[in-house]
Amino acid sequence: GQNIDQPTEMTATEGAIVQINCTYQTSGFNGLFWYQQHAGEAPTFLSYNVLDGLEEKGRFSSFLSRSKGYSYLLLKELQMKDSASYLCAVEMEYGNKLVFGAGTILRVKS
Amino acid sequence: DVKVTQSSRYLVKRTGEKVFLECVQDMDHENMFWYRQDPGLGLRLIYFSYDVKMKEKGDIPEGYSVSREKKERFSLILESASTNQTSMYLCASSSLYTQYFGPGTRLTVL
Repeated sequence: GQNIDQPTEMTATEGAIVQINCTYQTSGFNGLFWYQQHAGEAPTFLSYNVLDGLEEKGRFSSFLSRSKGYSYLLLKELQMKDSASYLCAVEMEYGNKLVFGAGTILRVKS
Repeated sequence: DVKVTQSSRYLVKRTGEKVFLECVQDMDHENMFWYRQDPGLGLRLIYFSYDVKMKEKGDIPEGYSVSREKKERFSLILESASTNQTSMYLCASSSLYTQYFGPGTRLTVL
């Protein structure tokens, strides 16, 4: 079976930095996605990592270690609008089939 | 901008009814997907399609079927709705690797 683990909930303060971890054990691996989902809305794409290392995109960065089955999403200079669920998803070997973790609810407080 | 639309945002049906959920994308994407999203379980893949008239089972296909007669349209069918199919249903489409999601249909089966 496929196993993707993320913390259920996290709370952080406006202006701070938060790191959301994701560990995975899957039968295949082509890459790892992070999506953001606000309550009642569709998930939207944040990042895609194929190779080991850090990918930076503005306030958001994502890291991947394939050998450790580990990824994290780093959010800097937190804003209230960053309060959302963050979904980690592994792309399996063939096609674009994704397996998702249960998601991490991030609450940003002032 | 990629646009994925779903026929209804909210739907209420009775046990045993046949239910059709429609998804349309306007970006000429080959790949289309149906997920359901439940609290604590994340997104789970029901069915996907890589081409017209082609379908593949996802992780939880039982109780569902799909139809893809045209490239832009992918329908999810609940042959005989049951209360355990009450959920949020999300459609997605992709070309290379990024999946774009529709707004979701919240289905309640009474």
